[in-house]
Amino acid sequence: SQQGEEDPQALSIQEGENATMNCSYKTSINNLQWYRQNSGRGLVHLILIRSNEREKHSGRLRVTLDTSKKSSSLLITASRAADTASYFCATASIQGAQKLVFGQGTRLTINP
Amino acid sequence: GAGVSQSPSNKVTEKGKDVELRCDPISGHTALYWYRQRLGQGLEFLIYFQGNSAPDKSGLPSDRFSAERTGESVSTLTIQRTQQEDSAVYLCASSLDLAGGASTGYTFGSGTRLTVV
Repeated sequence: SQQGEEDPQALSIQEGENATMNCSYKTSINNLQWYRQNSGRGLVHLILIRSNEREKHSGRLRVTLDTSKKSSSLLITASRAADTASYFCATASIQGAQKLVFGQGTRLTINP
Repeated sequence: GAGVSQSPSNKVTEKGKDVELRCDPISGHTALYWYRQRLGQGLEFLIYFQGNSAPDKSGLPSDRFSAERTGESVSTLTIQRTQQEDSAVYLCASSLDLAGGASTGYTFGSGTRLTVV
């Protein structure tokens, strides 16, 4: 079964608005990562947050991690048309930490 | 190289034929991973390599699938007697370290889109 489950499955907003995507997982983790995928090909690493961290920022991205609820959120502020993509969370569990397990993704559409 | 390179980028094959997919990771990256992604779906783990060894092959769907890595560099994923359900994008990634690429995450290639007709 998938370790990470993103919510919502699809999100459509206007350019300039903020986009929030959520991820829930099941087991104890070493770290959680977010990736972006354009056009169904290679994924691009966005940000990594370790299990002992609660919040991390990178440019317009903000990631939070709540290990007690086994959940994470990705916030993209001041969205742009170029942010249109699929976003995936991925977890490295403490057991079997050598590989990332990906969720099903959130399809984000930014309307001009 | 500067990034992870996969070839071919697209492959159309007839049902029952064998195919080989190639991945050139970033030089010096210890770990190499293969994933499969069906249309509109998430990534399905297939196998990972630490050096030339494959400690976890648990995701390989059947014995028609095999992979190897040589020289702690290039990896080849082989699918024998392809079936239509094998149609997907096959993605390769590498990372500097294990623990899910705990320091810098994974770097992905652009994938091989396999279509079995």
